[in-house]
Amino acid sequence: KAGVTQTPRYLIKTRGQQVTLSCSPISGHRSVSWYQQTPGQGLQFLFEYFSETQRNKGNFPGRFSGRQFSNSRSEMNVSTLELGDSALYLCASSSLAGQGDIQYFGAGTRLSVL
Amino acid sequence: AQSVTQPDIHITVSEGASLELRCNYSYGATPYLFWYVQSPGQGLQLLLKYFSGDTLVQGIKGFEAEFKRSQSSFNLRKPSVHWSDAAEYFCAVTIYGGSQGNLIFGKGTKLSVKP
Repeated sequence: KAGVTQTPRYLIKTRGQQVTLSCSPISGHRSVSWYQQTPGQGLQFLFEYFSETQRNKGNFPGRFSGRQFSNSRSEMNVSTLELGDSALYLCASSSLAGQGDIQYFGAGTRLSVL
Repeated sequence: AQSVTQPDIHITVSEGASLELRCNYSYGATPYLFWYVQSPGQGLQLLLKYFSGDTLVQGIKGFEAEFKRSQSSFNLRKPSVHWSDAAEYFCAVTIYGGSQGNLIFGKGTKLSVKP
């Protein structure tokens, strides 16, 4: 079974631009979560989608948004990029089969904002 | 609010030596606890988890962790470290059973292994 796939792996953007990152979950997984990882703040939860609905959201500005499609694939968008948005963005999927379920992470998208 | 503290930013151990990475959490009830490992340029791989039951849990790669409610700790251990264990280790907590997003991570402990 294929793991969580994130594309692209690397991105370079300039301030003010917007960016879209993609995440394909493990087949059969219906929940997708996004995390931002930076050296200063560590790993921080952005949001989680389940069955195309945002179920949980972290403490990030509205410039960060996401969506989930009917096939469970998810995208996150960051508008009006700032230098501080440079980070590794990680996606995780979960099957929600019941208690004991876990999140499986992709390799991440490394975003650099110049 | 929940929080996770990993007091050691960087630890160096010799290959073959034992290892213990510390993790303390702050939460009123029993949370769901995890240890993940991250190699450079990679995502996170789950080592083990604790939801309930036996407080000593076994994970992959020879790792184990012990949940101590009285100390609010969930320390990760390995009896004999291999050079391939060099990586960054993250302790995480959630109240949702791990499957509903919102994992709260510690800042991580970077492990270096001396030959």
